[in-house]
Amino acid sequence: AQRVTQPEKLLSVFKGAPVELKCNYSYSGSPELFWYVQYSRQRLQLLLRHISRESIKGFTADLNKGETSFHLKKPFAQEEDSAMYYCAASGNTPLVFGKGTRLSVIA
Amino acid sequence: KAGVTQTPRYLIKTRGQQVTLSCSPISGHRSVSWYQQTPGQGLQFLFEYFSETQRNKGNFPGRFSGRQFSNSRSEMNVSTLELGDSALYLCASSLARGAETQYFGPGTRLLVL
Repeated sequence: AQRVTQPEKLLSVFKGAPVELKCNYSYSGSPELFWYVQYSRQRLQLLLRHISRESIKGFTADLNKGETSFHLKKPFAQEEDSAMYYCAASGNTPLVFGKGTRLSVIA
Repeated sequence: KAGVTQTPRYLIKTRGQQVTLSCSPISGHRSVSWYQQTPGQGLQFLFEYFSETQRNKGNFPGRFSGRQFSNSRSEMNVSTLELGDSALYLCASSLARGAETQYFGPGTRLLVL
């Protein structure tokens, strides 16, 4: 079965520290991979997707096909990065989400 | 462009009742997907509609159904509500099917008493 795993429910970092949100996937074929973010009282929105290879708000994500991982990284965390982050995978089947990681950036 | 809209935003029902939720996708988007979000299970796929046809269905009982109209607007219906149906129901639209970016609505929060 298609599965996306985010091992950390909660990640707390200090402002200015590096951030890495982990995501592993189990998916047949070559899925497209996404990171979605949900800020407090806002709707779920796309942060970045692998195929576009963009850096959004300083975040990047590297696809490692050997380890089937798509970890999200940012070199210096900001307080406004505090939010819920969801990794997701899609191919010929509907979008499959991980359970999410709540990032808390401490001033 | 206006974003995805969902109505109503909040709903309180009692067990055994039925409910209909509505979703209007972004103009030009033809694919609409529905998700159930709960604290315990996270985001779970309900169904996907494209060109008025259900293309995929998640692992939910038959009490959950939906449809899509010719203008791409979609509705989902839950009959014989149970307490466990209390959740945030999210609708997302995309231009096409497959690995497309999905744009989410604000959700309808359903509370079943």
